[in-house]
Amino acid sequence: AQSVTQLGSHVSVSEGALVLLRCNYSSSVPPYLFWYVQYPNQGLQLLLKYTTGATLVKGINGFEAEFKKSETSFHLTKPSAHMSDAAEYFCAVRGHSQGAQKLVFGQGTRLTINP
Amino acid sequence: EPEVTQTPSHQVTQMGQEVILRCVPISNHLYFYWYRQILGQKVEFLVSFYNNEISEKSEIFDDQFSVERPDGSNFTLKIRSTKLEDSAMYFCASSENRPNSPLHFGNGTRLTVT
Repeated sequence: AQSVTQLGSHVSVSEGALVLLRCNYSSSVPPYLFWYVQYPNQGLQLLLKYTTGATLVKGINGFEAEFKKSETSFHLTKPSAHMSDAAEYFCAVRGHSQGAQKLVFGQGTRLTINP
Repeated sequence: EPEVTQTPSHQVTQMGQEVILRCVPISNHLYFYWYRQILGQKVEFLVSFYNNEISEKSEIFDDQFSVERPDGSNFTLKIRSTKLEDSAMYFCASSENRPNSPLHFGNGTRLTVT
C-alpha cells in the first residue's frame, strides 16, 4: 500500500525566505506524486506533479519539487516566500495501475508567512 | 478552464436525516471520487467510481453511504442517516482515463450535523 508522510504539520517562514515543505513516500514501485494547495475555505488546487522524466518539476506560483528515488522524497520548495503563499499544502501519491486509482494524501503542512 | 462544481457549499442537517451532496465532474472525465476532510485533519478517501459502479471504497464508506450517477453529468453522495461525526468538508473530484493524470477537486460542501 502506498503512503505519504509530511514532516512538520506547521512551517513558518519570513516573507522573502526559502520555503521547504517535506514529503516522503512509501511505495513498492515509483509512484506518481503530486502537491496540492488548499487556501482557507477553498478546495484543493494542483500545484505540480511528477509522473516520469525530469525529476525536478516546476509548478504554479513559483513552486517546484524534486523527486529523489534514493531518498523516497518529493520535497516542495520556493526560493522566496510571498504572503499569498500562506495555505495548507498536501503531498499525495497515486499508483500506476489502470483504473480509478485514488490519491492518498499526507497529513498536510500549514505554511505561515511572517511579514 | 473546466472545473468540478459542488452544491450546496454548506449544508446543515439534523442527526438522523438524509443528505445528498451533488457534484458535476469535468465533462470528459471518466473517474469520479469523494473525499472528506474533518476540520483540521487530513483529506481522506471515501470512494471511487467508474463505469457506473464503485471501483474502490474505504472503511469509512459504510452502508450509510451511497453514490450515484443519476444522469450524464451529476455525481452524488448520499448519507442515509447522518451522525454528528459526519460533520466535515466533502470534496468531489474527477480525473481522466490515465493513471498519471491528477484529480481535479471541487470547492467542497461543508456538512454540519447538529
